[in-house]
Amino acid sequence: GQQVMQIPQYQHVQEGEDFTTYCNSSTTLSNIQWYKQRPGGHPVFLIQLVKSGEVKKQKRLTFQFGEAKKNSSLHITATQTTDVGTYFCAGMEYGNKLVFGAGTILRVKS
Amino acid sequence: ETGVTQTPRHLVMGMTNKKSLKCEQHLGHNAMYWYKQSAKKPLELMFVYNFKEQTENNSVPSRFSPECPNSSHLFLHLHTLQPEDSALYLCASSQDGSYNEQFFGPGTRLTVL
Repeated sequence: GQQVMQIPQYQHVQEGEDFTTYCNSSTTLSNIQWYKQRPGGHPVFLIQLVKSGEVKKQKRLTFQFGEAKKNSSLHITATQTTDVGTYFCAGMEYGNKLVFGAGTILRVKS
Repeated sequence: ETGVTQTPRHLVMGMTNKKSLKCEQHLGHNAMYWYKQSAKKPLELMFVYNFKEQTENNSVPSRFSPECPNSSHLFLHLHTLQPEDSALYLCASSQDGSYNEQFFGPGTRLTVL
């Protein structure tokens, strides 16, 4: 079945440093979504990527969808303490359901 | 905050108890979802309802029984659960059943003794 792998599992950065999490699917995806879950909170939708090679930005966050539509990344520039949480990717296979990655836990040291 | 509410927020139950989780969305969406979130595991999709009809049952044990009386309300009935069923149960909704842009509720933290 479809698998979505996310790395790293955990990253601890100094405030102001950059952060990147990567998502890889075993199959070609129709789209990929990213969610953020704050400690003790619930997942919050960030963005959806649909097109091959697509790049979208939200302030300090940059999202990319690979040319083969099997991988994606989320990059945060100059992390802040408000960025802490778990970042999940979720891949949708054509004609199938959404499969979440295990998430990357981000901790920011001020 | 997100327009999706869940009750109760915390629940402790014995293996012989019967309880129900409730989810309500105020977003005018037509699809609702139940997920299970366990520590260090990916979110697991359990059930999907689209326009009150169940469209997905992800091989969930029969001790979990969903109910969707209308597009705004979703229940998860629990009976004879096991300790390994302890987890955060999240409800979500989206405009339609395409899984796009899901809005999650705060979850119910379930502990089975």
